[in-house]
Amino acid sequence: AQSVTQLDSQVPVFEEAPVELRCNYSSSVSVYLFWYVQYPNQGLQLLLKYLSGSTLVKGINGFEAEFNKSQTSFHLRKPSVHISDTAEYFCAVSEPGGGNKLTFGTGTQLKVEL
Amino acid sequence: NAGVTQTPKFRILKIGQSMTLQCTQDMNHNYMYWYRQDPGMGLKLIYYSVGAGITDKGEVPNGYNVSRSTTEDFPLRLELAAPSQTSVYFCASSYPYLLANTGELFFGEGSRLTVL
Repeated sequence: AQSVTQLDSQVPVFEEAPVELRCNYSSSVSVYLFWYVQYPNQGLQLLLKYLSGSTLVKGINGFEAEFNKSQTSFHLRKPSVHISDTAEYFCAVSEPGGGNKLTFGTGTQLKVEL
Repeated sequence: NAGVTQTPKFRILKIGQSMTLQCTQDMNHNYMYWYRQDPGMGLKLIYYSVGAGITDKGEVPNGYNVSRSTTEDFPLRLELAAPSQTSVYFCASSYPYLLANTGELFFGEGSRLTVL
């Protein structure tokens, strides 16, 4: 069975500062990895994904993530955050051939302050 | 393009009542899912469907039932509501089979259910 750990439940950061949201996973097989973002009172939307190939993945709104197989990590980064990035971020994992059944982490609330 | 539409957005139930959360998608997606989201717990998969007439249990199916008579609709039924079912429920769908393993789920805006 696969699992996802997001160690930071909340991350406060000042506007224009860099941010990293941490995600670690465990699985006995190869995995696909994802970051989803949830703005207040909305559903989740895909930020970026890693399926194969280059371990550095770029997504929407200037976010990127790096897949590190040896560390079983998929941390999300942004070099300069904006107030509008305030949201909850979820890391998720699925197994190839698993019908897109995603296992989600518990989420990290990113709060960008002026 | 409406995407994934959930109704109702809010509902309060009494213990023991039953109700159905409706979900419809207009993207011709084969795969559909129901998740529940609880504070600090992330999202847990309740049921999923890979096509009309085919459903299967997810991680937390107890107390729920689903059906999939059409590609578009995937209703979730709560029988004998309990306070533990107070949650935000999300319906999602994803691409047709050959592209299914891309991981992109399209989510509805959620249905907030309170059981008192």
